[in-house]
Amino acid sequence: SQQGEEDPQALSIQEGENATMNCSYKTSINNLQWYRQNSGRGLVHLILIRSNEREKHSGRLRVTLDTSKKSSSLLITASRAADTASYFCATAVAAGNKLTFGGGTRVLVKP
Amino acid sequence: DTEVTQTPKHLVMGMTNKKSLKCEQHMGHRAMYWYKQKAKKPPELMFVYSYEKLSINESVPSRFSPECPNSSLLNLHLHALQPEDSALYLCASSQDRIAGNYNEQFFGPGTRLTVL
Repeated sequence: SQQGEEDPQALSIQEGENATMNCSYKTSINNLQWYRQNSGRGLVHLILIRSNEREKHSGRLRVTLDTSKKSSSLLITASRAADTASYFCATAVAAGNKLTFGGGTRVLVKP
Repeated sequence: DTEVTQTPKHLVMGMTNKKSLKCEQHMGHRAMYWYKQKAKKPPELMFVYSYEKLSINESVPSRFSPECPNSSLLNLHLHALQPEDSALYLCASSQDRIAGNYNEQFFGPGTRLTVL
């Protein structure tokens, strides 16, 4: 069963604009991760934020985590056509090497 | 080498066939995973191997049989599959579990499986 829900399910923006997507989850977590998947291919890890962290940056990516609301957001600044992909949040709980993925946000960046 | 490789890229099989999917990594990772992903859906965990031992089986039907011959290789043996098993099968690996911390997973490109 899905741990996380993401919104929006789909997002269409112009190149240069920012893209924001949100992830909500249900149970306590050890960390939350964001992954990107280009059409029909493997997933690529983007960023990991631990439960005791509130914000993390990596290049044009900014992730926030609010454990009181059980939610996270991913912001991609100054988007590029190459950012077109599906973005998934995934949570790791305390038991075992297990990630549970959210439903994903499909992002289309138009040139 | 930071790559997870999977073979074959595509596989078409009948419901009576037996086939295997292969996954390999040379990053020294001691945890390896199989996921199933249907179109426009998130990956769903099937199995986790930790130090070559099966540690998680997410109630996967027995027509899927995983095997971890050594720390670099992971196989998924398929037998008597159903058309609804058609999906993208993803392999991933990660460093061994450090108490309380869970590391990023590295994914292979997947095997696109079609069951006729």
